[in-house]
Amino acid sequence: NAGVTQTPKFQVLKTGQSMTLQCAQDMNHNSMYWYRQDPGMGLRLIYYSASEGTTDKGEVPNGYNVSRLNKREFSLRLESAAPSQTSVYFCASSDLRTGTELFFGSGTQLSVL
Amino acid sequence: GENVEQHPSTLSVQEGDSAVIKCTYSDSASNYFPWYKQELGKGPQLIIDIRSNVGEKKDQRIAVTLNKTAKHFSLHITETQPEDSAVYFCAAGPNFGNEKLTFGTGTRLTIIP
Repeated sequence: NAGVTQTPKFQVLKTGQSMTLQCAQDMNHNSMYWYRQDPGMGLRLIYYSASEGTTDKGEVPNGYNVSRLNKREFSLRLESAAPSQTSVYFCASSDLRTGTELFFGSGTQLSVL
Repeated sequence: GENVEQHPSTLSVQEGDSAVIKCTYSDSASNYFPWYKQELGKGPQLIIDIRSNVGEKKDQRIAVTLNKTAKHFSLHITETQPEDSAVYFCAAGPNFGNEKLTFGTGTRLTIIP
């Protein structure tokens, strides 16, 4: 099992460009999450999907959109990238039926110039 | 909302010595306190967690203590080894619902051989 797979690993964008970060999990988890990690600020939740067909805002949703494509896949879209969105992005999944542990992908390092 | 403070931000200890990382939280309704370890270039991974019905939990060289009255909890690593070098995050939240989990700002632990 690969766990949680994120693509791409690195990306450089110019201000105003758009892109989609992809995430897929093979653990049959119901819940999926997108976090951003900034120096000195820990992990902050952008959006989450408690189950297939639902999405909700987290702490810092502005400038982002998400799509829960199916049970396995949860994508994060930046419609018009801004320098403030330079960050490391992590996708995670969990299954509250079996526990509260979050399983994280290896991250996407995004730079917006 | 919940506010989690984590100290210190960096910690260096000699191999074989003990390391302690401390976190405080603000919301008395929080009942779940996980610790995540993030190695270089990887996503965070759960190493231990504790719920409010216990005061201490151990797993080999790792232990977590919780003081609900004072609203603080700590991670203790004994007999440190080079592979313990990583960034450690504490978090606090309700028993269920990872979307409500609030993370600390992280501690970079370096083990000196």
